[in-house]
Amino acid sequence: AQRVTQPEKLLSVFKGAPVELKCNYSYSGSPELFWYVQYSRQRLQLLLRHISRESIKGFTADLNKGETSFHLKKPFAQEEDSAMYYCALSGRQGAQKLVFGQGTRLTINP
Amino acid sequence: EPEVTQTPSHQVTQMGQEVILRCVPISNHLYFYWYRQILGQKVEFLVSFYNNEISEKSEIFDDQFSVERPDGSNFTLKIRSTKLEDSAMYFCASSLAGPTDTQYFGPGTRLTVL
Repeated sequence: AQRVTQPEKLLSVFKGAPVELKCNYSYSGSPELFWYVQYSRQRLQLLLRHISRESIKGFTADLNKGETSFHLKKPFAQEEDSAMYYCALSGRQGAQKLVFGQGTRLTINP
Repeated sequence: EPEVTQTPSHQVTQMGQEVILRCVPISNHLYFYWYRQILGQKVEFLVSFYNNEISEKSEIFDDQFSVERPDGSNFTLKIRSTKLEDSAMYFCASSLAGPTDTQYFGPGTRLTVL
């Protein structure tokens, strides 16, 4: 079964502090992993995907197949990072869908 | 930058009524999706659509749901006889090259069933 788990519903950190949003997945095969973000009153939008191996807005995420994790990290949080973050998985073959985690609401305190 | 659009932004209906939610995907995209999010719960996949047919559907997408691409631009989700538990935010998405490609989401339609 395909499953994405984000253990933290809420995460609050101070501006300038490091941020790590956790994501674990279950998938029998090689998945494609994504982080989507939803800022207040905006639509869901892609933040980054593991295959791109790029840093977006200072965020990075490394796929750890041994731990089946895809944690999102940023060394220095900024107030504009406050948003809802969703980890999602897609199968490379066959499955025609994104499977989402429940989301983590990140609040950056000034 | 092209965006996925959805109408209406909010739909209120009585239980048992039919509703049609409309989406205009990004024009050169080939894959279309509907997801829903019940308040406080995760975003759930409903259906994917490619080459004028359903390519995958979830167990949520039962006989009361249907999708259609009536012309070259619109992609609709119809719920034939709404139930209270259909109240949710419904998101349309599209992608150029399949589900492992980036999916672009619309702003959503909030459906309230009374």
